[in-house]
Amino acid sequence: EVQLLESGGGLVQPGGSLRLSCAASGLTFGAYAMSWVRQAPGKGLEWLSGISGGGETTYYADSVKGRFTISRDNSKTTLYLQLNSLRAEETAIYYCAKDIGYLIDTGASDSWGQGTLVTVSS
Amino acid sequence: SALTQPASVSGSPGQSITVSCTGTSSDVGPYNLVSWYQQHPGKAPRLMLYEVNKRPSGVSNRFSGSKSGNTASLTISGLQAEDEADYYCCSYAGSKTYVFGTGTKVTVL
Repeated sequence: EVQLLESGGGLVQPGGSLRLSCAASGLTFGAYAMSWVRQAPGKGLEWLSGISGGGETTYYADSVKGRFTISRDNSKTTLYLQLNSLRAEETAIYYCAKDIGYLIDTGASDSWGQGTLVTVSS
Repeated sequence: SALTQPASVSGSPGQSITVSCTGTSSDVGPYNLVSWYQQHPGKAPRLMLYEVNKRPSGVSNRFSGSKSGNTASLTISGLQAEDEADYYCCSYAGSKTYVFGTGTKVTVL
């Protein structure tokens, strides 16, 4: 069974930074693309970023390009998201998700973590 | 910007309902890369369909998908109480980006 466990969320001031982690188990981690999606309280889902299985290709939403960085360490079966220059409106639950293939070419994520809450507030 | 979905759709047990997902000629239109997610309150999303009409293992065949032009649709047949949830579509939007829909609350009457 695939398990994804996010960590690293918390309270951060506007303009601050955080690094989120997503520890994966129960899968051949490097065989799958991974993605980050967030959900503000009471709001809908927002796709943020994706990375191919080997880390050679990355995708970003325009809203986070240049501020967020996705990466992965396949030896540690862990996905990361570095969040910089955070804004109050980015308060949300941040989910990591496993895609169904090696490339970020379907938008289909078949396993999700339970999310980590990031609160941006002074 | 986000794909457009109706805020809510309802139906009685056993009925069929359809949730639409309207995009543009830059996202839904040119690509058969629409997926659908179900989300129960306080839970993580669950993949229900991908590439318009493909079902992952374990998803009931009561869920089906289609696309016409810039609009994709999710149909739930034989509506059951457990289907009550929020549903989101997602589409490739070109330029290495994806976009979700606004979400639809499905209520079983």
